[in-house]
Amino acid sequence: AQTVTQSQPEMSVQEAETVTLSCTYDTSESDYYLFWYKQPPSRQMILVIRQEAYKQQNATENRFSVNFQKAAKSFSLKISDSQLGDAAMYFCAYRMANSGGSNYKLTFGKGTLLTVNP
Amino acid sequence: NAGVTQTPKFQVLKTGQSMTLQCAQDMNHEYMSWYRQDPGMGLRLIHYSVGAGITDQGEVPNGYNVSRSTTEDFPLRLLSAAPSQTSVYFCASSSGRGNQPQHFGDGTRLSIL
Repeated sequence: AQTVTQSQPEMSVQEAETVTLSCTYDTSESDYYLFWYKQPPSRQMILVIRQEAYKQQNATENRFSVNFQKAAKSFSLKISDSQLGDAAMYFCAYRMANSGGSNYKLTFGKGTLLTVNP
Repeated sequence: NAGVTQTPKFQVLKTGQSMTLQCAQDMNHEYMSWYRQDPGMGLRLIHYSVGAGITDQGEVPNGYNVSRSTTEDFPLRLLSAAPSQTSVYFCASSSGRGNQPQHFGDGTRLSIL
């Protein structure tokens, strides 16, 4: 079974600084997708960024980027120029790429609570 | 578009009561699922469905039932509520194609006394 591990239960960063959240996963599959979701105090689950395992290029979305190391099974999220609105719980998630049945399901890590200090 | 709509947003039950959490999506997504979120545990899959009439168990299915009679709706039933089912419940849907992410509802905070 696939597992996702977020080793940092809590992180803090100063406003305008850069922070990196760690995520490792375990899978025997070669093709899969990885996601980072943000959950602010409003409780909504908001997609931050996604990465396809077959792509070597790291995904970026504005101030958010990932460092995807397939051989190491590592998928860290870097937030640049941190803003107060970035304060949230961040979840790393894994999904197999083969379509059908239980392959659609997401496996989540336990989350990292990010605090942004003014 | 409304996306994924969950009702109610909050609910308090007594032990032994039953209730249904509603979930509806208007994106014609094949895949729908229910998760529960507990402190320090992340989101854990309860049940999922890959289409109308097809459901299966996830990681923590005990005490919950689901059915999928239409593409749009995927209700979650608690047959006899227990305090261990106090949690935040999320419904999600996706097309299941490619790298399409799951879209989440706003969640239901359920307390069992």
